[in-house]
Parts: sequence; C-alpha cells; structure tokens
Amino acid sequence: EIVMTQSPATLSVSPGERATLSCRASQSVSSNLAWLQQKPGQAPRLLISGASTRATGIPARFSGSGSGTEFTLTISSLQSEDFAVYYCQQYNNWPRTFGQGTKVEIK
Amino acid sequence: EVQLVESGGGLVQPGGSLRLSCAASGFNFYTSWMSWVRQAPGKGLEWVANIKQDGTEKYYVDSVKGRFTISRDNAKNSLYLQMDSLRAEDTAVYYCVRGGWFSDLWGRGTLVTVSS
Repeated sequence: EIVMTQSPATLSVSPGERATLSCRASQSVSSNLAWLQQKPGQAPRLLISGASTRATGIPARFSGSGSGTEFTLTISSLQSEDFAVYYCQQYNNWPRTFGQGTKVEIK
Repeated sequence: EVQLVESGGGLVQPGGSLRLSCAASGFNFYTSWMSWVRQAPGKGLEWVANIKQDGTEKYYVDSVKGRFTISRDNAKNSLYLQMDSLRAEDTAVYYCVRGGWFSDLWGRGTLVTVSS
C-alpha cells in the first residue's frame, strides 16, 4: 500500500496570503495524484487531478505541481471560503490512498 | 441535477449487517466506475471499494475483504454496499462517489455506527 504523507498538519495563514501544502508518496505515483478540499459537515470536493489539472469550476488561484513522489498544492491568495482541510490522494495503485490532511486555518 | 444520494446507514451491533444504497441521477451511470469511500468520525478518508461499469471487476481494501460486497444495478441507476460482520472500526460516514481512480462527484454520505 502506498502511504501518502502531508505536511504541515495545520497551516495558519492570513486572508490574501499564499498557502503551500505538501504531499509525499512512499513510492512513485507518476502524476496520478488528486487534491480534494473538505469543509466541516460537507463531502470532499475535487480540486485537482493529474497532479496539476484543475477540476471544473475550480478557481485559478488553486494550482498543483509535482510528479513521482513529491507534490505541492498552492493557493495563491487565500479567500475566506478556502479555510478547510485539504487531502491528497494517489490513484496509481490499488488501494487508492489518501494523506491524513492539512488543515488551513485563519491566522 | 447531477447527484448521488446515499441511504441505509444507521446503528448496528457488532457482528451485524447493513446494506447501503446510492441513487445516481443526472448522468449516464452505466458508463461510470463507481466507488465507496468512508470517513471515521474526526478522521481522514479511506477508499473502501470500487466496481467497473458492468460489474465484472471489483476491488476492496484489505480491511473489508470478505465482509463487504459492492454491487450495482444499472437499470436502476443504483450502487450498493452490503456490509456483513461489522466491527466498531467500521463506524464512519460512507460516501458514494463517481469514478474508480479519483472522484469528481461525491454524495453527502450516510453514517454507519457499529456499537452495542
């Protein structure tokens, strides 16, 4: 099973600032990496697939990069609605596995 | 409207069974891999099982193999998860999701609580 490790666990950011979230895979997943956002009491929402392709309707301030074992999600200018938990997920191998999440909170 | 609606969750005793259902609408269900993903209270996400469009391929995470069965009825646009021999650690919100690799469509989830 591929283990996905996200850092940091919690990120405190002021509105308007940039946020950089990291995700590391225990072995290569090529570009088969997705990022999801989850707000309290809601289902997760797909932000990015293929490591860098934004899903339909996702604002351009969200961008993804990386391949192999190292990945990054960048939120260029945090808006109030972006404070949430973010998960990375690999889909290169079965079972699909998620990172433990990074909580982005208001500083 | 494109949506997935889960039902069937509830309280069940350890060792008991439960069958979850998911009603799909607004898209061609029969063309999509479908999956179940769960989230224990206050915890992260775990991909539980997925099923091919025609039901001929199914995959399960090790922790549920031999206890859970995923199935679908394309005529009814429905996905199912039969859960047997339930354990306390199966307590979670179960999400029905479209896709077998990653998902662009999630239901709102149904809560399964396994407790005596």
